[in-house]
Amino acid sequence: SSELTQDPDVSVALGQTVRITCQGDSLRSYYASWYQQKPGQAPILVIYGKNNRPSGIPDRFSGSSSGNTASLTITGAQAEDEADYYCFSRDSSANRPIFGGGTKLTVL
Amino acid sequence: EVQLVQSGAEVKKPGESLKISCKGSGYSFITYEINWVRQTPGKGLEWMGTIDPSGSYTNYSPSFQGHVTISVDKSITTAYLQWSSLRASDSAMYYCARRSGPFCSSTSCYDLFDPWGQGTLVTVSS
Repeated sequence: SSELTQDPDVSVALGQTVRITCQGDSLRSYYASWYQQKPGQAPILVIYGKNNRPSGIPDRFSGSSSGNTASLTITGAQAEDEADYYCFSRDSSANRPIFGGGTKLTVL
Repeated sequence: EVQLVQSGAEVKKPGESLKISCKGSGYSFITYEINWVRQTPGKGLEWMGTIDPSGSYTNYSPSFQGHVTISVDKSITTAYLQWSSLRASDSAMYYCARRSGPFCSSTSCYDLFDPWGQGTLVTVSS
């Protein structure tokens, strides 16, 4: 399958931990990377590879993977984390990148 | 600083042609693929295609093959996305992004899009 499936909406109380998941067959052989997009802004990379954060991304963001599921975890969510989150991987059979449908994270 | 800077917003009529640009700076332009990604209002991200600036190899999503053309001018470190005949359904935000990778271990690979351009809003309306 060349699809990545995400829950459309997730909410978390301020300061609590939230996990955003992404499912797809390609994740068995390709790590997901994760992008955060706030309204009116371009996406930015927050997690890539097994569990790597680009410079400037807070360490409350972490990634993990098991089987066909990748997860982005925010430990101690902040108001500024409210955004859309997209997972990204590659359909190796078709040699093309694929994005998940996105998860809108609301911080309550 | 590595960055991609895109051309400004465009308003066009159906049937018109358009070429938008993405200028890379702060890195070796020919070393990294440039990808184009579409985002329609309220929707997610769709990969459109990629170009390898070193040899101009391109790869398109089947959803966009034949409707858009991706090109590059290495001399000015700029990639382009163009349409010969726009449709109303082409109205969207378009992003360019630099690809790094793939990076592979014994069990898995990954690549990533970073950085992204700021986006070019294209509006097609009669």
